[in-house]
Amino acid sequence: GAVVSQHPSWVICKSGTSVKIECRSLDFQATTMFWYRQFPKQSLMLMATSNEGSKATYEQGVEKDKFLINHASLTLSTLTVTSAHPEDSSFYICSARAPSLGNSPLHFGNGTRLTVT
Amino acid sequence: SQQGEEDPQALSIQEGENATMNCSYKTSINNLQWYRQNSGRGLVHLILIRSNEREKHSGRLRVTLDTSKKSSSLLITASRAADTASYFCATDEADSWGKFQFGAGTQVVVTP
Repeated sequence: GAVVSQHPSWVICKSGTSVKIECRSLDFQATTMFWYRQFPKQSLMLMATSNEGSKATYEQGVEKDKFLINHASLTLSTLTVTSAHPEDSSFYICSARAPSLGNSPLHFGNGTRLTVT
Repeated sequence: SQQGEEDPQALSIQEGENATMNCSYKTSINNLQWYRQNSGRGLVHLILIRSNEREKHSGRLRVTLDTSKKSSSLLITASRAADTASYFCATDEADSWGKFQFGAGTQVVVTP
């Protein structure tokens, strides 16, 4: 089945630094990937849609200068949390959809636990 | 914004019992999907039901979809301790292919 790899699985950083999270589709090409944020015991909030070769589409309320998304190839999307602050601490999850005519599931990475101190 | 509302928020049952959770949504959809998440992990796809389908089975899972009421249910029969997880419904919105919206989730605990 389709596999999505997300790295790192956890990261601790100091306030003011930037953190990059990678999301790779290992056995399929993904023209579109999605980035979600999840707070403890809550649902997934869609942050942005990452499109290969073009700019990401951000959801309302998500700062695009804060959360930089780059989708440089058909198998890799990166999310960079710039100048991280403690309130950015969260669980970030990426997903991708294998190419099909539609009605296909999302395949998720295992998430990245970000802690900003 | 979150599309789906799920209930119950939490469910505690014993092994062997059935677990039922519901999901409601607001917009037209292409399909509705159910996912499972173990604590601190990514989501695993369980089952997909298309907008023109009313019921679907997969092993111990049974999903129903009522598009007139904009609701879906997930039934897990003969539950096992390993079914302990959070379950989310996700809707594939009709005017935005691939842009899924997730429900609030139901936390299920199955005790031996």
